[in-house]
Amino acid sequence: ETGVTQTPRHLVMGMTNKKSLKCEQHLGHNAMYWYKQSAKKPLELMFVYNFKEQTENNSVPSRFSPECPNSSHLFLHLHTLQPEDSALYLCASSQETSGAYNEQFFGPGTRLTVL
Amino acid sequence: GQNIDQPTEMTATEGAIVQINCTYQTSGFNGLFWYQQHAGEAPTFLSYNVLDGLEEKGRFSSFLSRSKGYSYLLLKELQMKDSASYLCAVTDSNYQLIWGAGTKLIIKP
Repeated sequence: ETGVTQTPRHLVMGMTNKKSLKCEQHLGHNAMYWYKQSAKKPLELMFVYNFKEQTENNSVPSRFSPECPNSSHLFLHLHTLQPEDSALYLCASSQETSGAYNEQFFGPGTRLTVL
Repeated sequence: GQNIDQPTEMTATEGAIVQINCTYQTSGFNGLFWYQQHAGEAPTFLSYNVLDGLEEKGRFSSFLSRSKGYSYLLLKELQMKDSASYLCAVTDSNYQLIWGAGTKLIIKP
């Protein structure tokens, strides 16, 4: 138990569906992250929020839309996805985004399959 | 570009020792992390090195050489539960974490 929860754990959706992934952290952190993890590839950073403000958007397609209503909750809204978007989506949190020692705490991920 | 290299997969025997290497080329260096990720679970923190040398933590040790852009994770007295992926990540000059693709470690009885 890392203090970061994600729902749902598994999601299968068609290319025309709209769904949302939810992440919640119980660690009192100020920064939250969305990552995409594909087999045999490095973690891809998608979005970063620091004190509810988006600070990073690493050229992510607009079919992925993040939302951070407060420092404890993070959503990833999905619409008109492509099969290549199938992957494990990991949420993480850390005390802040700056500083050399910035240990990130991860949730268990949502395994997404796009048909 | 920034790059982290680590072997894709390694196999070792229960009770033995295994060393997982990580080499990096990044714009600046502000520390190196090792994470463990069991299949279907969250990555969890193992170690952090920012100065050269060996950091020991129980059965696990992590080594860093900044001049060589090199680190390794040493696992002793391997147990079946050590079967997992091990992720190397470097904090660059902008305090961004650059991740390797991970090394899948298979432990055989």
